[in-house]
Formats: sequence, C-alpha cells, structure tokens
Amino acid sequence: QQPVQSPQAVILREGEDAVINCSSSKALYSVHWYRQKHGEAPVFLMILLKGGEQKGHDKISASFNEKKQQSSLYLTASQLSYSGTYFCGTEGNSGYALNFGKGTSLLVTP
Amino acid sequence: KAGVTQTPRYLIKTRGQQVTLSCSPISGHRSVSWYQQTPGQGLQFLFEYFSETQRNKGNFPGRFSGRQFSNSRSEMNVSTLELGDSALYLCASSRDASNQPQHFGDGTRLSIL
Repeated sequence: QQPVQSPQAVILREGEDAVINCSSSKALYSVHWYRQKHGEAPVFLMILLKGGEQKGHDKISASFNEKKQQSSLYLTASQLSYSGTYFCGTEGNSGYALNFGKGTSLLVTP
Repeated sequence: KAGVTQTPRYLIKTRGQQVTLSCSPISGHRSVSWYQQTPGQGLQFLFEYFSETQRNKGNFPGRFSGRQFSNSRSEMNVSTLELGDSALYLCASSRDASNQPQHFGDGTRLSIL
C-alpha cells in the first residue's frame, strides 16, 4: 500500500525546476504532500482530491491523475529553502489512513 | 495557537520493556494519527483515532496499541520492546483525518538498547 516516490534524491541549483512523482497500486481518494527538513516535523504543503485538480502554493504546484493513481509535485525556480525531504501521502477509499512514500530528498545549492 | 505537543522528546529503553508516548493535538482537532519514522521505511502509519475511537490501523503487531481520551489527547503504547522499534514516533492532528491537512508534532525519539 505504500506509494512509490521517484526520484529518491535530486540535487538542484537555485532557480532550477524539479518534479517529484508519486504512484500507487491502489485506487486513491486523495494525495497529500509534505516537506520535512532535517530534525524537524513534516509540514503540510497541499492536498489533492479526486478530479485531477491541480493546486498551487507559491512556486510549488501539484497534479493528481486518479486514473493512473499518480500525483506529481512541481517545484519551479527552486529556492534554498526548498531543500528537505518531500513525502507524498495517499489515502484510499477506506479513508482515515495516510500511507506515505519513502520520501524524495531534495537539495538546492547556491 | 499551540501546535501538536509530544512528550517525552527522547526515550531510552531496553528490550522487553514497555513504553507510553503522549500526544496533545491542536485545540479543536479531534483526529490524531500516529506514525513510525525510520530511515529505511520512511513514515509508516500506525493508527488513527477520532472521538476516542480507533478508525484505522496500520500493519503493525499487536504490541503497538493506542487510545484517545475525551479531550482528544492520545497515547500510544508499545509493549515488549524490540531493537527494531527504535524510531522516531510522530503524531499528527487534524480536524478530521480525511481530506484535512495533518499537523505534526516534533516526535518522540525512542532508542532501544
């Protein structure tokens, strides 16, 4: 049930773009995205619901393709503050349980 | 608005002992979820409580249990500790677990010797 995230790690220079993918083998009801910096708690970024709606948060946006059971997180014009580990959490139709991927480590360098 | 509070922050136990971890959610949040975080497995769902009822449980042995009180505070208990239980245990609260952002506490770092 654990979704699969790719890539496992990525290194960017400031200003570059990145895409993080999350896929599940099960039907999804929603997808959550969180970012965790080293030694800190995960912080909520956004939720996407069934319907393929794309959401945005500053220069970070995401899409959800429920037919393919996939979600992608788009980081544009990356900033140093974007560094951290990004987790997708998927919720199936039974609800009330978020299954997280193993995370994607993102490092933005000057 | 106070965030999610977890106590204690650090714990060291030995194999065979048991441990209780505490989580106080954000005021007004009735759902509390627990997760185990390890370097190899990432964040793994343990269980979720809402209004003192467990609504969902992850794939963990029965040694892992939890409960929620009428004020929404939650505890999780791990009995007969094993070396593999060493992890960061995170709790997260939300108004309702479904379709709502989860707000995480800083976690309890549990080390088993």
